[in-house]
Amino acid sequence: DIQMTQSPSSLSASVGDRVTITCQASQDISNYLNWYQQKPGKAPKLLIYDASNLETGVPSRFSGSGSGTDFTFTISSLQPEDIATYYCQQYDNLPRTFGQGTKVEIK
Amino acid sequence: QVQLQESGPGLVKPSETLSLTCTVSGGSISSYYWSWIRQPAGKGLEWIGRIYTSGSTNYNPSLKSRVTMSVDTSKNQFSLKLSSVTAADTAVYYCARGRPYGDYLDPWFDPWGQGTLVTVSS
Repeated sequence: DIQMTQSPSSLSASVGDRVTITCQASQDISNYLNWYQQKPGKAPKLLIYDASNLETGVPSRFSGSGSGTDFTFTISSLQPEDIATYYCQQYDNLPRTFGQGTKVEIK
Repeated sequence: QVQLQESGPGLVKPSETLSLTCTVSGGSISSYYWSWIRQPAGKGLEWIGRIYTSGSTNYNPSLKSRVTMSVDTSKNQFSLKLSSVTAADTAVYYCARGRPYGDYLDPWFDPWGQGTLVTVSS
């Protein structure tokens, strides 16, 4: 299995801050990486696909980058509605695997 | 737009079989991969496996010996059975559709069902 390691596991930031989350794969997965947002009690929602492509309807303050084993997810200006847990997910191979999640809170 | 809804018992006894069904509405179940994903309380997401509408399946090796998935295209439904459950199988179970992209039939999951909590307890 491809292991996905996210960091940090949680963070606290102020409204308007730039927030960065990293995801590292245990092997080269090219750009076969997605990012999801999960709010409490809700199903995950796709934000970024193929490492850097913004899903339709997702605000442009969200972005992703990276390839190979190292990936970054950024919120350029944190908003109150961005409070959630964020997960990366690889699709280079089966089984599909997710990072352990990063919980984002408002300071 | 396509919507998914999980259904099944919310309480299962240890050693018994967990059975869930996902009903697809607003679109056809045909020609897609359909997955089950679970999430223990306060923890991350675990992909259980997927089924194509032809009936072809792939399971997570960590659960493969206990998982069976099936599809009923006439009812626009697919199902999950997980046998010999223990407390470690207590989780919210989601069904989700794989969205095709390029050469991949299910690189990501969208949409998802709302999830259903299954508790394993006597």
